[in-house]
Parts: sequence; C-alpha cells; structure tokens
Amino acid sequence: EVQLVESGGGLVQPGGSLRLSCAASGFTFSSYWMHWVRQAPGKGLVWVSRINSDGSSTSYADSVKGRFTISRDNAKNTLYLQMNSLRAEDTAVYYCARSGVVLDYWGQGTLVTVSS
Amino acid sequence: QPVLTQSSSASASLGSSVKLTCTLSSGHSSYIIAWHQQQPGKAPRYLMKLEGSGSYNKGSGVPDRFSGSSSGADRYLTISNLQSEDEADYYCETWDSNTQVFGGGTKLTVL
Repeated sequence: EVQLVESGGGLVQPGGSLRLSCAASGFTFSSYWMHWVRQAPGKGLVWVSRINSDGSSTSYADSVKGRFTISRDNAKNTLYLQMNSLRAEDTAVYYCARSGVVLDYWGQGTLVTVSS
Repeated sequence: QPVLTQSSSASASLGSSVKLTCTLSSGHSSYIIAWHQQQPGKAPRYLMKLEGSGSYNKGSGVPDRFSGSSSGADRYLTISNLQSEDEADYYCETWDSNTQVFGGGTKLTVL
C-alpha cells in the first residue's frame, strides 16, 4: 500500500524557517517524481514545487521561488521542503504527492501557520 | 502554461447523476488531466486520469459510479447514483514542462 506521511508543520513567526518531511512507503520511491502542494484555509489547491526521481531537476511556483527548496533522500525514502523567509500568506496545509503522469497519491498533509 | 476552468459549485439529488466540467485553455485541448476529490476536512484523493480521447484510468478503490469523458477542450467527471459521501470539492489537474496546474475546484452539494 502506498503511504505518504508528512511531518514538520507548526507555528512559525514571519521571516522564520521550517523544514517539512514526507516519508514514503509501499512503492519504489526512487522511480517517481514528487511534489508539494498547499491549500490555504478555505481555498483551493496550489502547486508549490516538484523534483524529479533522482533529485537532479527541480521547479517552483513563482510565489515561493528563491525562498523554498525541495530535495529528496532516496536512501531514506523521504521528500523534504525547506521553507525560509516565511510570510503570512504561506499559511496552509502542505501535502506531498507522487506523480506518474499526474498526481496519483497524496499524503494527509501538515499544517504550517505563519503568525506573530 | 495551461489554465483549467471549473464551475465553482454544482448540486444534484441523492441517487441522481451529475456531470462536472473542466475546460482547458486555448492551445491545450489535447492535454491529459486528472480528477481529484476532497471530502470535507480530508486530504485530496486521486480519482482518475483522463485523456483527450475520453479514455480514462481510475485510481485504486474508486467506485464504478465515477466515470470520465472528453469533448474538445472539455474534460468531464460523471458521478452516477449520487451518495451522501460524494459531497466534496472536485479539482482537475494537469501539467506542462515546469509546473502542475489545478483548476479552481467545484463544490458539489448532494441534496
């Protein structure tokens, strides 16, 4: 069974940093591209970032470019999102997701709240 | 990059059928999309991948009541024999070389 379990969310002050993790199991992690998607309270889904299967290529939404960094450790079957210079508008539930062609499995999400 | 347009809301009666629409922007009518369901307070769930030909592949455990179809730039999700648990937000998704793209979502109310 495919499982994606996010962790690392919490309350952080504006300008602060946080690192999210996503532990993967039930599939060959190193064969799949992985993504982070976020959802602000009461709003829709917004794609944040993606990384290819071996970690050599990444891309980001304009809203997080230069502040967030996606990475992965295929030996540990874990995806990461390093979030720096956090802003109030980054407040959201952050989901990790796997893609073959489209996103086909989602984690349960972790809440990030940016507030003073 | 492609843009996906969805109606903000839809409603249908228990036991009836409903057809939700996701429209691809000009120049992107051949794109493959996915449909995702998000029940209240839960994470999104992948429903199916849908091609421009109308061919679709459903995710594990998705009931037979869910089906997909296509016409031109429009991608459809049809839910038959509506159940109370189908009340949810439905999102379409696609991608291009550098980004994934989501539609704004349709909130389905089961009456």
